[in-house]
Amino acid sequence: GAVVSQHPSRVICKSGTSVKIECRSLDFQATTMFWYRQFPKKSLMLMATSNEGSKATYEQGVEKDKFLINHASLTLSTLTVTSAHPEDSSFYICSAQQGGMNTEAFFGQGTRLTVV
Amino acid sequence: GENVEQHPSTLSVQEGDSAVIKCTYSDSASNYFPWYKQELGKRPQLIIDIRSNVGEKKDQRIAVTLNKTAKHFSLHITETQPEDSAVYFCAPLRPGGYNKLIFGAGTRLAVHP
Repeated sequence: GAVVSQHPSRVICKSGTSVKIECRSLDFQATTMFWYRQFPKKSLMLMATSNEGSKATYEQGVEKDKFLINHASLTLSTLTVTSAHPEDSSFYICSAQQGGMNTEAFFGQGTRLTVV
Repeated sequence: GENVEQHPSTLSVQEGDSAVIKCTYSDSASNYFPWYKQELGKRPQLIIDIRSNVGEKKDQRIAVTLNKTAKHFSLHITETQPEDSAVYFCAPLRPGGYNKLIFGAGTRLAVHP
């Protein structure tokens, strides 16, 4: 299957700082990527849909100014958590699809963010 | 929006037994029905999927059945093994401009030796 790489896998940052998480599709072009957030022992909650060359589409209740998404190329999407607070601590996972009729999603390995 | 319910939330079986997890969805336009397995701290892995023109699909010990009329699909694992222990998620695809997967709450499966 296709490979999606997410970086970093773990990050600890201080309150008030910003953190950038990268999601790359290594062997295919991903017109659309998705960002999820997962709390301990909970499901994956879709945060936003990232579209190459256009603005991201955010799910209801997700602050777009807090979670900045940029999809600069067909192989890279970034999520920046701005002015992070302890409540932003979570597991963030991206996924990518090849598009069209190919609906299988390939997931990155996830990023565990801890804000202290 | 799509409402997805998954049952049971936890499932404990003895090694060799079968396990069945059911997923109910609300959007009749959904047309792709995958099941993911997630081990602790790892990424979700697709284990089987089915499309709306097929009622059942099997891959060795794993099968998925789909009932579009009733809007539910189920994961069946036979001859369970300890390594099957994980959290399983259904994620019916919400059709529209983007192929969004909406995840169920998950089922924690424990297979005891």
